[in-house]
Amino acid sequence: KQEVTQIPAALSVPEGENLVLNCSFTDSAIYNLQWFRQDPGKGLTSLLLIQSSQREQTSGRLNASLDKSSGRSTLYIAASQPGDSATYLCAVSQGGSEKLVFGKGTKLTVNP
Amino acid sequence: GAVVSQHPSWVICKSGTSVKIECRSLDFQATTMFWYRQFPKQSLMLMATSNEGSKATYEQGVEKDKFLINHASLTLSTLTVTSAHPEDSSFYICSARVANQFFGPGTRLTVL
Repeated sequence: KQEVTQIPAALSVPEGENLVLNCSFTDSAIYNLQWFRQDPGKGLTSLLLIQSSQREQTSGRLNASLDKSSGRSTLYIAASQPGDSATYLCAVSQGGSEKLVFGKGTKLTVNP
Repeated sequence: GAVVSQHPSWVICKSGTSVKIECRSLDFQATTMFWYRQFPKQSLMLMATSNEGSKATYEQGVEKDKFLINHASLTLSTLTVTSAHPEDSSFYICSARVANQFFGPGTRLTVL
């Protein structure tokens, strides 16, 4: 059974700092991995999707990497801003399945 | 594009009553929709996969007679929580798939 773990559970940083969020998964046979953002009491916004054959994806100040063999992914946020404050979720899908398995998330607070 | 809505955004009900939650894809058609549940500080957990015109597929441990899912059209899926109890209080999120999954804003259910 696939399990997804995110570390740390919470992170508080001053504005402008670069930061890294971590995600690990137990079964390396994934189809893809996604990073989402969830604001309090809201739905999910997809940030980046990495296919299993890819090593990284970039969007603006966000960069996600994937090391499938070791079961790890990182989300790098450059020059953090207060508007980045949210919970960041990592999710993987298995080959041949549409199902997403989520981690518990990392709650990020960026202080002005 | 790819907007998913949910209604209601929040609902409070008495124990024993039934509650219906709607999930709509506003600008695309989705043959497959997913229903997730998220308890405080926990991961999103997939409850069931809803396919238009056929019976939903439920995840292990999810009672199909308690959580009724209807996917009558390519733009609408409904989740009915029957005889709701306080332990059903949770955040319910749907997603609709077209290439990737797009998530609704969620419905906060509180059962008194």
